[in-house]
Amino acid sequence: DAKTTQPPSMDCAEGRAANLPCNHSTISGNEYVYWYRQIHSQGPQYIIHGLKNNETNEMASLIITEDRKSSTLILPHATLRDTAVYYCIVRVGTGGGNKLTFGTGTQLKVEL
Amino acid sequence: NAGVMQNPRHLVRRRGQEARLRCSPMKGHSHVYWYRQLPEEGLKFMVYLQKENIIDESGMPKERFSAEFPKEGPSILRIQQVVRGDSAAYFCASSPGRVGETQYFGPGTRLLVL
Repeated sequence: DAKTTQPPSMDCAEGRAANLPCNHSTISGNEYVYWYRQIHSQGPQYIIHGLKNNETNEMASLIITEDRKSSTLILPHATLRDTAVYYCIVRVGTGGGNKLTFGTGTQLKVEL
Repeated sequence: NAGVMQNPRHLVRRRGQEARLRCSPMKGHSHVYWYRQLPEEGLKFMVYLQKENIIDESGMPKERFSAEFPKEGPSILRIQQVVRGDSAAYFCASSPGRVGETQYFGPGTRLLVL
């Protein structure tokens, strides 16, 4: 699975959009971008994933650049409960190994 | 629609004892994965199982650790003769029976070895 690079920490004001970047310059054509978060040592929570098109669900939006070498997770209106470590993971969607390789992630702190 | 269930949530063992961690996947999921998170570290893959089969155990320590996912009942991660370095959070995830499907995690079992 391709390696990812994320900033170690970010701050965001409550109510504002949180934009979390991820670089995955060695991504292959059949690899998906997944985002998970871990709130204070709870079990990781799935957020969203995509291949090459932008994706949106009730939690967040995922913007993937045209060359697929980077992506941004957007939390449109961050709340205090969004404070967590956010992990960007690249993995083969079909036909390959299934393990998730977690990096160090981005510690997002949402403040009043 | 219950999520992934793990028990116990907390487990205390003395050195040399055995630890058994259980994981019940989400309804309809036949694939189970175990991950370990040591204190102040990231999650590390341990093992991937399907019903009655170990598919990938590349992350499992070679000694003392074993995993199973029987035809009936939960998946079990077993640690024999625990040592203090085994103290960690152990997370289980499950996915449907197709390669590459999203994994959903349980709340974890916190193992403390005294």
